[in-house]
Amino acid sequence: EIVLTQSPGTLSVSPGERATLSCRASQSVSSSYLAWYQQKPGQAPRLLIYDAHDRASGIPDRFSGSGSGTDFTLTISRLEPEDFAVYYCQHYGSSPGTFGQGTKVEIK
Amino acid sequence: EVQLVESGGGLVKPGGSLRLSCVASGFTFSSFSMNWVRQVPGKGLEWVSAITNSGSSVYYADSMKGRVTISRDNAKNSLSLQMNSLRAEDTAVYYCARGGSGWYLGPSAYWGQGTLVIVSS
Repeated sequence: EIVLTQSPGTLSVSPGERATLSCRASQSVSSSYLAWYQQKPGQAPRLLIYDAHDRASGIPDRFSGSGSGTDFTLTISRLEPEDFAVYYCQHYGSSPGTFGQGTKVEIK
Repeated sequence: EVQLVESGGGLVKPGGSLRLSCVASGFTFSSFSMNWVRQVPGKGLEWVSAITNSGSSVYYADSMKGRVTISRDNAKNSLSLQMNSLRAEDTAVYYCARGGSGWYLGPSAYWGQGTLVIVSS
């Protein structure tokens, strides 16, 4: 089973600043089958990035994903008020499709 | 418009059973893998189970293996999760989520609103 470890647990950022979130896998993620999701309170998760770096439909270009193998990054270039939320990474190349524990992006 | 609507959640006693359902619309259900993902209130996401588009392959998280069965009825555009021997730690919101096309488990671009399962005496 691939274990995904996200860091930091909480990120305090001011609106307009850049946020960099990390997701590290315990073993290589095949074919970069890694996704990033955003979740706000009381809502279902929203897919942001798939295949490590492809933006999902309708996702603003301030969100970008990078990485391969065991190290992946989600970057939000300029935080908007609506971006303060919890972010999860997930691998889906094989079962079980584990999630990271999440990174909360909060207003500084 | 893609829609996933879960039902079947509720209060159940420890050791009891519950069957969750998810009805899909707005896409060709038989073309996509499907997932169940759960979330303990205030905690993170946990993948529970997946089934390929034809239903020929199923997958389970170790935490629920042997206690849950995922199934689908492509003629009725429906997905189910039969949960047995429920424990207090199974209390969570259970989401139905669309996976990738065919056998490919894929990322989940579409999610239902979730159904709450509470396991308590």
